[in-house]
Amino acid sequence: DAGITQSPRYKITETGRQVTLMCHQTWSHSYMFWYRQDLGHGLRLIYYSAAADITDKGEVPDGYVVSRSKTENFPLTLESATRSQTSVYFCASSETTGGIEKLFFGSGTQLSVL
Amino acid sequence: AQKVTQAQTEISVVEKEDVTLDCVYETRDTTYYLFWYKQPPSGELVFLIRRNSFDEQNEISGRYSWNFQKSTSSFNFTITASQVVDSAVYFCALSEDYNFNKFYFGSGTKLNVKP
Repeated sequence: DAGITQSPRYKITETGRQVTLMCHQTWSHSYMFWYRQDLGHGLRLIYYSAAADITDKGEVPDGYVVSRSKTENFPLTLESATRSQTSVYFCASSETTGGIEKLFFGSGTQLSVL
Repeated sequence: AQKVTQAQTEISVVEKEDVTLDCVYETRDTTYYLFWYKQPPSGELVFLIRRNSFDEQNEISGRYSWNFQKSTSSFNFTITASQVVDSAVYFCALSEDYNFNKFYFGSGTKLNVKP
């Protein structure tokens, strides 16, 4: 199916474990993003990537690692999960044509850290 | 200070009522973009509209309309004759100056439309 897909849809893990959330898009969009959604905070940018092998920090990058070896994939890794990282994580992509275009979002990953 | 403020946390209306979702933004840039996204119960955010700072014309799309006023730094969203399918969380967002690292979402307004 075309679009942007995230996996897993739900994940429960324990404090201290490493967790990787996957994101795959089929549009060949240049930009990809990871946001977390928390009650009262809306969506906050964790990391973004302008192209393969180019990544940059967003508003809340601590405790997260990203990579982008291929244009279509943008995994997010929690190196040592903490309870404060319990959240809903959204991956998004965008094709820029000289301005800020709309974002296309995945369905989200609900992560619980016990 | 928050870049995008959506003061209404939750609104409940009865079907066919009109409802306005408020959005106030803060920026010093002269070039910026404003967005509205809808997040239905299924969870995925869906793009509704983008406006740039140079275009203050109000926009209407079916039952949806947007009122952009630079003088009050507001970009309000009105749904006319609301329907149950409009029930969702709505996010307003601001992008400053072509920079994705300066893309800010408000905290969202949850709209409940009751039959």
